[in-house]
Amino acid sequence: DAGVIQSPRHEVTEMGQEVTLRCKPISGHNSLFWYRQTMMRGLELLIYFNNNVPIDDSGMPEDRFSAKMPNASFSTLKIQPSEPRDSAVYFCASSLVQEGETQYFGPGTRLLVL
Amino acid sequence: RKEVEQDPGPFNVPEGATVAFNCTYSNSASQSFFWYRQDCRKEPKLLMSVYSSGNEDGRFTAQLNRASQYISLLIRDSKLSDSATYLCVVLNTGGFKTIFGAGTRLFVKA
Repeated sequence: DAGVIQSPRHEVTEMGQEVTLRCKPISGHNSLFWYRQTMMRGLELLIYFNNNVPIDDSGMPEDRFSAKMPNASFSTLKIQPSEPRDSAVYFCASSLVQEGETQYFGPGTRLLVL
Repeated sequence: RKEVEQDPGPFNVPEGATVAFNCTYSNSASQSFFWYRQDCRKEPKLLMSVYSSGNEDGRFTAQLNRASQYISLLIRDSKLSDSATYLCVVLNTGGFKTIFGAGTRLFVKA
């Protein structure tokens, strides 16, 4: 079975540009999580969805960040406008609650904002 | 105080050594606990869940002490391939609110 798929794997952009990160969760999973990882702050939960509905977005750093999950097989995380401090690795993870909340992570998107 | 705290290490140990990591959490209502492993420039992967009764998977043993609010991971007979960062994970609020510790870095040397 395919794992969590993220695209792009790497993104280099200039400050002020819009960035869109994409995630395809594991088929059949009903929860999806977006994380950001930096050396300074470690792995931070940004937002999570259950059955395509955002449950908690308290980890989203500011209004420049938005996330959507239009259906069970696709989610986006958008940053507009991007800033250099947004440079990080962004992970998407999915889980099936009935399996004891094990989260399966995608390979991540390495974002560099110049 | 961070919700989940770990000793960042690094722990430098020889092959064959036994090494233990501890993790403390602040929310007494936390429901589920895990250890994840993250290799350099890779995604985190589940190592094992942690239960109050303790659980073992080969060379790895995890323990949970709810009264003291800490979680431990013991690695016996360390292998070179065990070199990684070990992340303590706590789930709150219905199993969705996920808090990761900052991770403990382990280097196993020949």
